Amino acid sequence: DSGVTQTPKHLITATGQRVTLRCSPRSGDLSVYWYQQSLDQGLQFLIQYYNGEERAKGNILERFSAQQFPDLHSELNLSSLELGDSALYFCASSVVTGGDTGELFFGEGSRLTVL
Amino acid sequence: AQSVTQLDSHVSVSEGTPVLLRCNYSSSYSPSLFWYVQHPNKGLQLLLKYTSAATLVKGINGFEAEFKKSETSFHLTKPSAHMSDAAEYFCVVSERGGYQKVTFGTGTKLQVIP
Repeated sequence: DSGVTQTPKHLITATGQRVTLRCSPRSGDLSVYWYQQSLDQGLQFLIQYYNGEERAKGNILERFSAQQFPDLHSELNLSSLELGDSALYFCASSVVTGGDTGELFFGEGSRLTVL
Repeated sequence: AQSVTQLDSHVSVSEGTPVLLRCNYSSSYSPSLFWYVQHPNKGLQLLLKYTSAATLVKGINGFEAEFKKSETSFHLTKPSAHMSDAAEYFCVVSERGGYQKVTFGTGTKLQVIP
């Protein structure tokens, strides 16, 4: 158990809909990362938050948005869903302090299926 | 800037034979390097990490990796493959800083043939 919790584990929805994926990082971890993994694109970095602030952006579509709340949990919002958004969405967290090793701890993922 | 190159997208070995998964990196700073493993329909699990201590790093399940600065490599090895090693492996470089930049390789799928 990595200590990172993602909900829901599975989600099936229709095109055009909007969903929210939730991530609770390990206790004490300030940084949260979101990744998308699909068969054709592999593991893609979406976005990183550090202590509530956006710190890095990857291949995140404009239809997608995220935020990190004061209690450090994070949500990834996916809107106007398309078939191609079907994927496994991972959240990871890390400590990110001066002495940390940079290790990421991954959740089990949220599997999104868009029909 | 930092980058990671996993030189093989697929590797196939026979059970009981050695495993070699290759990774080269580039980094402007002294990086931390990691190998993660992902079994089908599972999350990513840390196999091992290098953080500027010993250059030969031992991980879980008999895996090792050697940090070679002169070659900018961090290859993953195991003396004897087991069927349960069949999975996808990711090499990762991390630069510590104000917020920590993390870069994943594209992954190597390991097939183990009985």
